[in-house]
This record gives sequence, structure tokens and C-alpha cells, in this order.
Amino acid sequence: NAGVTQTPKFQVLKTGQSMTLQCAQDMNHNSMYWYRQDPGMGLRLIYYSASEGTTDKGEVPNGYNVSRLNKREFSLRLESAAPSQTSVYFCASSDGPGSYEQYFGPGTRLTVT
Amino acid sequence: GNSVTQMEGPVTLSEEAFLTINCTYTATGYPSLFWYVQYPGEGLQLLLKATKADDKGSNKGFEATYRKETTSFHLEKGSVQVSDSAVYFCALKGTDSWGKFQFGAGTQVVVTP
Repeated sequence: NAGVTQTPKFQVLKTGQSMTLQCAQDMNHNSMYWYRQDPGMGLRLIYYSASEGTTDKGEVPNGYNVSRLNKREFSLRLESAAPSQTSVYFCASSDGPGSYEQYFGPGTRLTVT
Repeated sequence: GNSVTQMEGPVTLSEEAFLTINCTYTATGYPSLFWYVQYPGEGLQLLLKATKADDKGSNKGFEATYRKETTSFHLEKGSVQVSDSAVYFCALKGTDSWGKFQFGAGTQVVVTP
């Protein structure tokens, strides 16, 4: 099992450019999440998907959109990147809302210049 | 809202030293508490958890006890190894927050030979 995979690992964008971060899990999990990690601030939830076909906003959703493409895949899109979106992005998955454990991907390091 | 506060790092220790990382929380009701660990270049992984007051979570020589009276969940290890060098995150899952985790800012631990 690969677990949770993310692409790309690194990305540099110019202000105003768009991109999509891809995430896939092979554990047949129902729920998936996108976080950003910034120094001194821990992980903050951007969006989550309780189950296939549903998405909802987390703590810091502005400037992002998501798509739960199917049960395996959950993508994060930046329509017009800003320097404030420079961060490390983690995708995670879990059995469901009641699960005590989330499984994380290796992260995408994004720099917006 | 829910929040987690943990001690700032980096914490630098010699091998075989005793490690304590303080974590306190604010939450309504009885949240579940967790410690996640992030090794260099990797995503977070669950280290241990406690789901009710006075529970002790343990794994890989690490321990933490859920103290409701002091709203704390401090992480301890009696004798650290170089391989324990990582960033440690305290987290909670509230009873009033669907499936969502609240993470602390993380504490970097560096163990030297």
C-alpha cells in the first residue's frame, strides 16, 4: 500500500498563476482533508471531505477550492496564487469523522513569488 | 473555540536524556487528545492517543496522560535516541467538531549523540 500520495513534491509559482495539488489514498478511506503548515502555527485545516461527493470549508479556505473526484482522490486548487499561500500543504485521510487517526501524505512545498 | 498550546522549540537533548514536551488545551466537553510526530521530509504520523480523562497513551517508549483537571497532555520519554529527532505535534479532536483536529504549533526536538 502506498498510503496517501501527493503530487508535486515541490512547486514554485508566480503571483497570479494557478495550480492544482493532487492527493490520492489507497486505504478505502471515506474522509479526506487538506491542511497547510506554517512555521509557528502548526497545521490549519483548509477544506475537508466527509465522504465522496461532499466537501466543506475548514479554518482557512479563502483562496482555495477543492474537488473530491472520487473516493480515492481529493484535489486542492489555487486559482490565483498569492505570496501568502507560500506554505507546505498536507493531504490526509481517515476512515470517517469518528476515526481517531488521520493518515498524512508527505506534503507539497509551495513557494509563491 | 478549541485550541492547543505547546512549548516552543527547538528542544536540544543529549542521547539518553529525559524528554518532556508540555501541551495544554482549551475545549468544551471531553475531547480526545493526541501526539503526532513528523520525521524530516515526511508527513505526520500518530504517535499515541488518549480518549478520556486519566487515560495514558503510550508507544515507542513515549507516554502522555490525559489530565482533565489541568487540561494537559504532556509528552514524556525516559531515554531519547538520535532517531527521536523530529517535530512533535499535540492535537485534540473535540466532541463538538465533526472529525476535525486542532493541532498545536509543533515542537522540534533535536537529539545529539
